[in-house]
Amino acid sequence: DVKVTQSSRYLVKRTGEKVFLECVQDMDHENMFWYRQDPGLGLRLIYFSYDVKMKEKGDIPEGYSVSREKKERFSLILESASTNQTSMYLCASTPPSGGLNEQFFGPGTRLTVL
Amino acid sequence: KQEVTQIPAALSVPEGENLVLNCSFTDSAIYNLQWFRQDPGKGLTSLLLIQSSQREQTSGRLNASLDKSSGRSTLYIAASQPGDSATYLCAVRPRTGTASKLTFGTGTRLQVML
Repeated sequence: DVKVTQSSRYLVKRTGEKVFLECVQDMDHENMFWYRQDPGLGLRLIYFSYDVKMKEKGDIPEGYSVSREKKERFSLILESASTNQTSMYLCASTPPSGGLNEQFFGPGTRLTVL
Repeated sequence: KQEVTQIPAALSVPEGENLVLNCSFTDSAIYNLQWFRQDPGKGLTSLLLIQSSQREQTSGRLNASLDKSSGRSTLYIAASQPGDSATYLCAVRPRTGTASKLTFGTGTRLQVML
């Protein structure tokens, strides 16, 4: 079974702090994604990566950056956390295009910024 | 721009009832459609994936259909159980573009009552 893990289930940070959210997958997937989920807005794509050191902006990249130094690990960075970044953050991975492309999700990180 | 709509937003049914959840999308140029389940405060679990060339997929008590030309998919749940209570999301992957980007609906929150 594919396993996608996220470093924390719950996180509380203060405004202005630098925040790192880590995601690891164990199936050698090329593609990895970071979403945020908010009530009434659904899932929105922040950033994705289709290979090591490769990244592309999603629909809402402002205030975020990402790092992918190893294939299995994709990090989301909040350079200076703000209260409007309080949300549920979900990581996902999928094999490269041309295959079944089923997307697998981690358990999520509930981030609260005070 | 692809838009995905799920109606109803919430549904409450008695145990044992058969039910249908609806998903519609505006751009029929899709590669596949995926149905997910999300329990409160948790990540997404993939239920079924239908490729654009397929009409339906089945897994246990779940059956998903796809009518690409009309931009619709349905998720049929037979003999519903309280354990089926969750939010159900559909997501479409476009035929073109990079890295399996998905567009999600906002979900249908299902409650199955004893």
